[in-house]
Amino acid sequence: EDKVVQSPLSLVVHEGDTVTLNCSYEVTNFRSLLWYKQEKKAPTFLFMLTSSGIEKKSGRLSSILDKKELFSILNITATQTGDSAVYLCAANTGNQFYFGTGTSLTVIP
Amino acid sequence: KAGVTQTPRYLIKTRGQQVTLSCSPISGHRSVSWYQQTPGQGLQFLFEYFSETQRNKGNFPGRFSGRQFSNSRSEMNVSTLELGDSALYLCASSWDGTVYGYTFGSGTRLTVV
Repeated sequence: EDKVVQSPLSLVVHEGDTVTLNCSYEVTNFRSLLWYKQEKKAPTFLFMLTSSGIEKKSGRLSSILDKKELFSILNITATQTGDSAVYLCAANTGNQFYFGTGTSLTVIP
Repeated sequence: KAGVTQTPRYLIKTRGQQVTLSCSPISGHRSVSWYQQTPGQGLQFLFEYFSETQRNKGNFPGRFSGRQFSNSRSEMNVSTLELGDSALYLCASSWDGTVYGYTFGSGTRLTVV
C-alpha cells in the first residue's frame, strides 16, 4: 500500500529556532517529492525534489531528498511566527500524489 | 492571473442529501484534481480530470463523482451524504497533471449534520 508518513505530528518552537520536518514514503513508481505549506486552507507550493542529495533552498527554507532511504527533510532556520502552519509532503507516482497527514508547526514569539 | 476558485466556501447539509461543489482552475490548466482533507486522514485523493476525462481515481465509494467541462471547470458531487463526509474539499489545478506541482484552491468546508 502506498503511503507517506510525516513526523513529528506537531511541533512548538520559539522564534529563532531551527526546525527539521521529516517525510518518509513508500510508493510504487516514485517520481518526485513535493512540500507544501498550509496556513489556513489552500496549501501553497514550496519545493519539488526529484534527485537525491541535491538541496533546494528558498530563503530560510531548504529541503533534500534521499531516494535510497526513501525520505525527505524540510529545514527552516531562524523561524518566525509567520512560519506557523501545517507542512505537507506528497509523493508523486505519475498517477497521483500521496500526501502525508502533515506536521503542524507553531512558532512562539 | 486568477487563482483556483472554489465555490461555495462553506456548506451545511443534512445526512442523506446530495451536494455539488465547483472548481474553476487557473486559465490554461487542463488538469483538475479533488482531495478530501480531514484531521485524522490528511489529504486523500478523490479523482483527477484532464480534458473532460477522468484520468485517475482514488479509493472512495461511488457516492463521490465528478465531471469536467470543456472550459476545464470541474464539479464534484457527493450523494447520500454521511456524517463522515464532513471535511474540507480541496481542488487543485495544474497544466498537465502530476508532472508539476499543483495550485490549490481555498477549499469548500462541508459540514454534514
